Amino acid sequence: SYVLTQPPSVSVAPGKTAMITCGGDNIGHKGVHWYRQKAGQAPVVVIYYDADRPSGIPDRFSGSKSGNTATLTIARVEAGDEADYYCQVWGGGSDWVFGGGTKLTVL
Amino acid sequence: EVQLVESGGGLVQPGGSLRLSCAFSGVNVSPNYMTWVRQAPGKGLEWVSVIYFGGTTYYADSVKGRFTISIRESKYTLFLQMNSLRTDDTAVYYCATISAVTGPIDSWGQGTLVTVSS
Repeated sequence: SYVLTQPPSVSVAPGKTAMITCGGDNIGHKGVHWYRQKAGQAPVVVIYYDADRPSGIPDRFSGSKSGNTATLTIARVEAGDEADYYCQVWGGGSDWVFGGGTKLTVL
Repeated sequence: EVQLVESGGGLVQPGGSLRLSCAFSGVNVSPNYMTWVRQAPGKGLEWVSVIYFGGTTYYADSVKGRFTISIRESKYTLFLQMNSLRTDDTAVYYCATISAVTGPIDSWGQGTLVTVSS
């Protein structure tokens, strides 16, 4: 089945930019979605279809794709952005796939 | 906006069964698909099963043959019947909606904890 690869952790200082990557074969042909999950809470969509942002998500959050990698970028990071972030695609057929998740730590 | 409330979690012995329920409601509710996603303690998200409102169902290989997803549309309730439970089925189970098969998992419940242990 399809596999998405994320770094286990990313650390960033407040006010700086965090970039979380998600790698997968032919990911350029798939719609990539990103979720934020704070401790003890359900996941929330922060980016869908690669780069679209749901209402209520600040424009500090953006998504992009290049080659076999999708990237979630969080500009001007705040303490409240500390969370686990997951990428996800529909792998085709009967396969909804999540990346392993990245823990974002705000220093 | 869709509201989803799961119930039915608890402690069960290995080999046992459990049925999860998810009540969904909201103005102009019309998801095309509903799904279950689980998260083992301290681990990442794992897709479990999906049901299309036309009735088609799919399962992750890890639960195929043991879990059954169903929906009672008239009562706006989603179910997950879990049989032959194993210790590695221990997780928080979330129900959620999907509007388009290639789209994001739009709305999530708060989850219900299933613990499989002797």
